[in-house]
Amino acid sequence: AQSVTQLDSQVPVFEEAPVELRCNYSSSVSVYLFWYVQYPNQGLQLLLKYLSGSTLVKGINGFEAEFNKSQTSFHLRKPSVHISDTAEYFCAVSDYLGGAQKLVFGQGTRLTINP
Amino acid sequence: SAVISQKPSRDICQRGTSLTIQCQVDSQVTMMFWYRQQPGQSLTLIATANQGSEATYESGFVIDKFPISRPNLTFSTLTVSNMSPEDSSIYLCSARTGNYGYTFGSGTRLTVV
Repeated sequence: AQSVTQLDSQVPVFEEAPVELRCNYSSSVSVYLFWYVQYPNQGLQLLLKYLSGSTLVKGINGFEAEFNKSQTSFHLRKPSVHISDTAEYFCAVSDYLGGAQKLVFGQGTRLTINP
Repeated sequence: SAVISQKPSRDICQRGTSLTIQCQVDSQVTMMFWYRQQPGQSLTLIATANQGSEATYESGFVIDKFPISRPNLTFSTLTVSNMSPEDSSIYLCSARTGNYGYTFGSGTRLTVV
């Protein structure tokens, strides 16, 4: 069964600084990978997803992520963060060869942007 | 992509009672999912609901406690039965949409007192 580990529970960053949120996955089969953002008191919004093709995936709000199969990682990056990026970020994996095709989420990383 | 309307957005319930949460999708979808997000925690899958079949529950979740209905391809309900304070969580529904997308409802924030 697949699993996701987000290596940092909290990441404080100064405004306009770069940020990387780390995600490692474990699966015995090929996977699809996702990053979601959850703003306070809101549902989940898709930032980006990797299905196939180029390992560098660009998403909304200036975020991008790189799929590294050998390291089973899918780290999220942004070159310059804004106060409005303060939120909880979740990495998720789906086993697309499995019948269930369910999303399994990591523990989440709380990104706090300081002025 | 699909849009999911989830209601209620929040509720405060007495222990021992039940609450039914509804999700309406603006397009037909085969697979819907129900998640629980306990305070300060990640999302845990409760069950997968496909139209025309019984819901498939994850380990630790049972049908008597979380009965699910999926009467058609655009609608699903989750009932939280015989509630206790430990059931206080955010409950989210999700639908798998085209091109391997997963859309989420805005969540139901449940407080059991």
